[in-house]
Amino acid sequence: SQQGEEDPQALSIQEGENATMNCSYKTSINNLQWYRQNSGRGLVHLILIRSNEREKHSGRLRVTLDTSKKSSSLLITASRAADTASYFCATAPSYDKVIFGPGTSLSVIP
Amino acid sequence: EAGVAQSPRYKIIEKRQSVAFWCNPISGHATLYWYQQILGQGPKLLIQFQNNGVVDDSQLPKDRFSAERLKGVDSTLKIQPAKLEDSAVYLCASVGLAGVEQFFGPGTRLTVL
Repeated sequence: SQQGEEDPQALSIQEGENATMNCSYKTSINNLQWYRQNSGRGLVHLILIRSNEREKHSGRLRVTLDTSKKSSSLLITASRAADTASYFCATAPSYDKVIFGPGTSLSVIP
Repeated sequence: EAGVAQSPRYKIIEKRQSVAFWCNPISGHATLYWYQQILGQGPKLLIQFQNNGVVDDSQLPKDRFSAERLKGVDSTLKIQPAKLEDSAVYLCASVGLAGVEQFFGPGTRLTVL
């Protein structure tokens, strides 16, 4: 299956700590995207990394991609209570389609 | 810029009944997607439209699910008849012509009793 698998399934950290989530996938991709979902704002696109890129930053987010290992990681630095949400890795076999993984549930404790 | 609109937000029906969901994408967005998200899982693509044409409906259970986007703008997804396992959140998303980022609506939470 093309589907990415996030690890861990659930993560609980203290406010101010860093959170790292990993995604592994099985076949080649055009790009890989991370989305966040919480009850207040629904599903929101966070960041996209293309297959020829190795690292991208956006604010407190850092994404890496290792196509040789077919894996990606999402790092959230200096976490806040508002970061509490489910985070989904979405692998894109083509530019116009994504396949979502089962997600990582992140709890940030104030 | 207005976001993706969906209605209703919640729907409770009994099995074997019919239900329809509506989605209005962001203005000018040619590509529209319907996803099914079962509790605890990631969204699963049901159907993808480009303007009013179907690009991918390979995972749509066509014996009971149908979808249309007649004028290339808003779209409806129908389930007839519903089964218990159809209980899920149905998400609509759209993408602009030059983009890859998907913009999601708030979803419709369907409960089948």
